[in-house]
Amino acid sequence: NAGVTQTPKFQVLKTGQSMTLQCAQDMNHNSMYWYRQDPGMGLRLIYYSASEGTTDKGEVPNGYNVSRLNKREFSLRLESAAPSQTSVYFCASNPTLNTGELFFGEGSRLTVL
Amino acid sequence: AQRVTQPEKLLSVFKGAPVELKCNYSYSGSPELFWYVQYSRQRLQLLLRHISRESIKGFTADLNKGETSFHLKKPFAQEEDSAMYYCALHDNAGNMLTFGGGTRLMVKP
Repeated sequence: NAGVTQTPKFQVLKTGQSMTLQCAQDMNHNSMYWYRQDPGMGLRLIYYSASEGTTDKGEVPNGYNVSRLNKREFSLRLESAAPSQTSVYFCASNPTLNTGELFFGEGSRLTVL
Repeated sequence: AQRVTQPEKLLSVFKGAPVELKCNYSYSGSPELFWYVQYSRQRLQLLLRHISRESIKGFTADLNKGETSFHLKKPFAQEEDSAMYYCALHDNAGNMLTFGGGTRLMVKP
């Protein structure tokens, strides 16, 4: 039982390049999230998906797009990467939005040069 | 909008000493608060939640609505407690989980 799986774990991009972070969960959860983690700022919510077919902006959505491909998968896309997007990205899921208990992936470390 | 503040970025204590990681929040509704922990090379995981009133790995946290605080305490720190700790508030109205900036706990031998 893998839980929440993210790929890739590490990525280096040049400014202006695009990439997609993939996330999949095998817990049959309805809700999925993308956070970024920056030193001293904790985790900030980028986008979330309450259920299959829906997505909503979080606290810091600018520069990102998401796709809830199906119930299992929730991807995060950077269309034109900027150095300010250098961060560690975490995908998470939970059964519903009504609970604060999240299950996290291992994180994806992205560096934009 | 809700806000979670962890005033200490780094807390260093000796093994066996008491430890208190501070967390303050601002929220207009009835808060639901959590502590998450991230050990080295492991994923972020839930440590405890205030509604459970439980002790996990010797840690406890009490919600003080008057002081809007949810401090994490342990009477005798162990080296394996060294980790990054995040306080988080669940917004029941908007269904968002807001994290504090995190405190790195180092327990020295």
